[in-house]
Amino acid sequence: DIQMTQSPASLSASVGDRVTITCQASQDISHYLNWYQQKPGKAPRLLIYDTSSLETGVPSRFSGRGSGTDFTITISSLQPEDIATYYCQHYDDFPVFGPGTKVDIK
Amino acid sequence: QVQLQESGPGLVKPSETLSLTCNVSGVSISSYYWSWIRQSAGKGLEWIGRVYSTVTTNYNPSLKSRVTMSVDTSKNQFSLKLKTVSAADTAVYYCARDLDYGDYVRAFDVWGQGTMVIVSS
Repeated sequence: DIQMTQSPASLSASVGDRVTITCQASQDISHYLNWYQQKPGKAPRLLIYDTSSLETGVPSRFSGRGSGTDFTITISSLQPEDIATYYCQHYDDFPVFGPGTKVDIK
Repeated sequence: QVQLQESGPGLVKPSETLSLTCNVSGVSISSYYWSWIRQSAGKGLEWIGRVYSTVTTNYNPSLKSRVTMSVDTSKNQFSLKLKTVSAADTAVYYCARDLDYGDYVRAFDVWGQGTMVIVSS
């Protein structure tokens, strides 16, 4: 089975900072990688699908890239409303999620 | 706009069956795949399974022996049954639309708000 890991587990950054979260797959998953944002007490929200495609309504400060086993999501200028936990997810035989990265404001 | 709403008991006794329903509005349930996903403190986000129309189901191998999913097209709802539950099944359960973007790209683009289910006597 494919396993997903994320780093860091948590981070603190200032408003306006550029923030990057990494997701690594245990084997080559090509471009089949999605990113979700989850705010406390809420359901996850799809941000990016297929590595780099922005879901409708997602601010352009979010971007994704990668291929194979290594992927990133970047927030170009961190905003207070971006405080959340971010999950990567791969969909193969069955979907699997990463453990999440919690983003806080410094 | 597509909206999903989970419903069902918030408390289930050990060894009994957990039953949840997801009401779908804004779109015909027959047109898409639908998934159940749960989230617990211990295991993070875990996909349980998906259903399409009334004939196609796929389940997480780790839960397959205990899971049944079905669709009621007349009510535009789909459901989850998880039998022989234990404390390990305590989690927030989400229903979600399982969207095919083409070229084998799939993602969960619409989620319900989630419902907490506690397994306890």
